[in-house]
Amino acid sequence: GIQVEQSPPDLILQEGANSTLRCNFSDSVNNLQWFHQNPWGQLINLFYIPSGTKQNGRLSATTVATERYSLLYISSSQTTDSGVYFCAVETSGTYKYIFGTGTRLKVLA
Amino acid sequence: SQTIHQWPATLVQPVGSPLSLECTVEGTSNPNLYWYRQAAGRGLQLLFYSVGIGQISSEVPQNLSASRPQDRQFILSSKKLLLSDSGFYLCAWSSRNPGRVKETQYFGPGTRLLVL
Repeated sequence: GIQVEQSPPDLILQEGANSTLRCNFSDSVNNLQWFHQNPWGQLINLFYIPSGTKQNGRLSATTVATERYSLLYISSSQTTDSGVYFCAVETSGTYKYIFGTGTRLKVLA
Repeated sequence: SQTIHQWPATLVQPVGSPLSLECTVEGTSNPNLYWYRQAAGRGLQLLFYSVGIGQISSEVPQNLSASRPQDRQFILSSKKLLLSDSGFYLCAWSSRNPGRVKETQYFGPGTRLLVL
């Protein structure tokens, strides 16, 4: 089956810093999403981005489907950005979302 | 707007006891439904998904089962819990439009299960 790997696994930032999170996948995908899991466990949708670039405030994401990767950019990080970031992909013809290994982010005040 | 509910929020059960976790979705019809498990500090593992009433696909062989008795209700069950069943159980839904690609997946608040 498809493999989804995220890097880095852990990241510590000072408040105000910028960061880039990466998601690599081993096969072509139909759908790709980025999620933020807050410290209480709730998974929040950030982007639905099977291809192209999207921006939402301080966050933006780019997926290059032909090269099988997606990037999540966080600018001017805040302590509330702390948590785990997951990408999830769905391959064509299935209804299954496969989650990546996650990036655990801690933003220090 | 659509909402997804899960209960209970937390559960402590002895080994060998039965389990029933419920998930319901409001504000949409004919959704795809999913059960995931997340072990402490780990990623999400897809357990079951359903594309319609009575249609269940299992991803991981285990002592858990799922049922979908109604369009917007998804139940996760076990006859006898194991220690290894402890974890954070998340239900999710996505819309399903015939002939179109599937869309964003939305998650419920989750159930924390501790098996002692």
